[in-house]
Amino acid sequence: DIVMTQSPLSLSVTPGEPASISCRSSQDLMHSNGYIHLDWYLQKPGQSPQLLIYLASNRASGVPERFSGSGSGTDFTLKISRVEAEDVGVYYCFQSRQIPWTFGQGTKVEIE
Amino acid sequence: QITLKESGPTLMKPTQTLTLTCSFSGFSLATGRAAVGWIRQPPGKAPECLAVIYGNDDKLYSPSLKNRLTITQDTSKNQVVLTMTNMDPADTAVYYCARRQSAAFDYWGQGALVTVSS
Repeated sequence: DIVMTQSPLSLSVTPGEPASISCRSSQDLMHSNGYIHLDWYLQKPGQSPQLLIYLASNRASGVPERFSGSGSGTDFTLKISRVEAEDVGVYYCFQSRQIPWTFGQGTKVEIE
Repeated sequence: QITLKESGPTLMKPTQTLTLTCSFSGFSLATGRAAVGWIRQPPGKAPECLAVIYGNDDKLYSPSLKNRLTITQDTSKNQVVLTMTNMDPADTAVYYCARRQSAAFDYWGQGALVTVSS
């Protein structure tokens, strides 16, 4: 199984400041179709997960521009350019390169 | 507007079989562009992808649960059904269904909490 390892596991951020979450996979996530099968999801308190970034760097519809995804191979990063209060929750990376598709353990983001 | 909603029992006893229904609207599996998946999340833990079904009836299962899972679709009703046999307290979780398109789960249901207890 591909293991997804996120860091840090928790993050306290001042509004307006940037934030960055790392996700490392135990295997290369480049699919044979030429795409990197790595997504980022945010689960706000009491809600279902919501898609932020798909195929490593594509912002999902309606996602603010302050969210960006980057990376290749086994190292990926989610960046928030200026954190807002509504960004609190748990962020998960997810790979669908190989079955079983697997999530990272999550990074809890809080506002200072 | 795309919506998905899970329905099924909230409380189960060990060894029973769980049947969950995902009723969706705003898209069709018949077009071949989308799929529907089931993802569960035990309390306080990360989500776990269980199964996915495509419009052509291709199915993917989590290998660790494959022997217990069956995913089916009813395109006329816009529903996807997940059955899981031999339920155990360790299967207590919120069960979500989600649309999969462009290699991501882009719309999720609200989730259904299933508790397994004797």
